[in-house]
Amino acid sequence: DVKVTQSSRYLVKRTGEKVFLECVQDMDHENMFWYRQDPGLGLRLIYFSYDVKMKEKGDIPEGYSVSREKKERFSLILESASTNQTSMYLCASAEGAKTQYFGPGTRLLVL
Amino acid sequence: LAKITQPISMDSYEGQEVNITCSHNNIATNDYITWYQQFPSQGPRFIIQGYKTKVTNEVASLFIPADRKSSTLSLPRVSLSDTAVYYCLVGDMITGFQKLVFGTGTRLLVSP
Repeated sequence: DVKVTQSSRYLVKRTGEKVFLECVQDMDHENMFWYRQDPGLGLRLIYFSYDVKMKEKGDIPEGYSVSREKKERFSLILESASTNQTSMYLCASAEGAKTQYFGPGTRLLVL
Repeated sequence: LAKITQPISMDSYEGQEVNITCSHNNIATNDYITWYQQFPSQGPRFIIQGYKTKVTNEVASLFIPADRKSSTLSLPRVSLSDTAVYYCLVGDMITGFQKLVFGTGTRLLVSP
């Protein structure tokens, strides 16, 4: 079974803090993704990576950056957290073009 | 980008067949249609994926008409455990991950 784990289930941060969300997958997948999920808006793609050190912007990259130094690990960085970044963050991985496997999500609250 | 429309919610009873339709009028030639299921406090889980006509697996069927501007997820004989949110995803899974678009989800409630 594919396993995608995220470093925290719940996180509370203050405005202006730098926030790191970590994601690890154990299936040697090439592609990894970060989404945010908000009520009424569904899932929106923030960034994705198709290889180590490679990244591409998704629909809503503003205010976020990512890092992929190792194949199994994909980090989402909020350089200076703001209240409008309060959301559920979901990481996913995929081999090639098919099924995305999602982690359990990190619920981030920015005060 | 494809614009995706799904019903906000649906109600059903155990043992019934449920059909959830997704509208994607400006789907592109290379786009696939994928459906995910999400339970509270969990990430979405893959159900089924298709490009055209009909696809069936052990849990669902996916019907896609010739014009591909809509698709219907069919869940046969639902049970209480099928209560979840169902998302339609449209996008080019070969060359365009940045063009992946999720619908806003359909909340299915299955009652006894």
